[in-house]
Amino acid sequence: GQQLNQSPQSMFIQEGEDVSMNCTSSSIFNTWLWYKQDPGEGPVLLIALYKAGELTSNGRLTAQFGITRKDSFLNISASIPSDVGIYFCAGQPLYDMRFGAGTRLTVKP
Amino acid sequence: ETGVTQTPRHLVMGMTNKKSLKCEQHLGHNAMYWYKQSAKKPLELMFVYNFKEQTENNSVPSRFSPECPNSSHLFLHLHTLQPEDSALYLCASSQERDVVYGYTFGSGTRLTVV
Repeated sequence: GQQLNQSPQSMFIQEGEDVSMNCTSSSIFNTWLWYKQDPGEGPVLLIALYKAGELTSNGRLTAQFGITRKDSFLNISASIPSDVGIYFCAGQPLYDMRFGAGTRLTVKP
Repeated sequence: ETGVTQTPRHLVMGMTNKKSLKCEQHLGHNAMYWYKQSAKKPLELMFVYNFKEQTENNSVPSRFSPECPNSSHLFLHLHTLQPEDSALYLCASSQERDVVYGYTFGSGTRLTVV
């Protein structure tokens, strides 16, 4: 199946710092999505990307669909304590989504 | 309220027990999914239902048995599970199997097999 490699696995940052994480795939994807999962909850969709090169923002979050259609990144600017959680990339090759293993973000006040 | 409700939130069961997980959505979605989430691993797709028909069984052991009586409800019946089956089981739904608008996830059932 299509493998998604998400990095880094975990990040420990100070409040106010910017964060960057990315996802790469061995296959071309038609859609890239970024989810956040809070402890004890299911993943919640943050940003969806549908076209190669597309750059989309949602508040302090910015994500891009790579030109090769095999990668995507997510940036969080000026992190705050409530940004803590696990961030997942997900890609849709044709049907059904494939997920990365997640980036666990810890924000120190 | 995410629109997808899973019950129970937590479940502890012995290896000889039979239990069922329930998922309910009233979003008007036609596709529903079961995922397994284990620590430090990607979400694993288990089953897909599209318009109440099972369209994918991702090599899941027969001790997991899904049921989709209508487009709003999805069950996962469990019997003779193993300790390695302990995980967070997530239900999700989407408008149709094409995930252009992403999935809506429930909060999950934390399953512990003892």
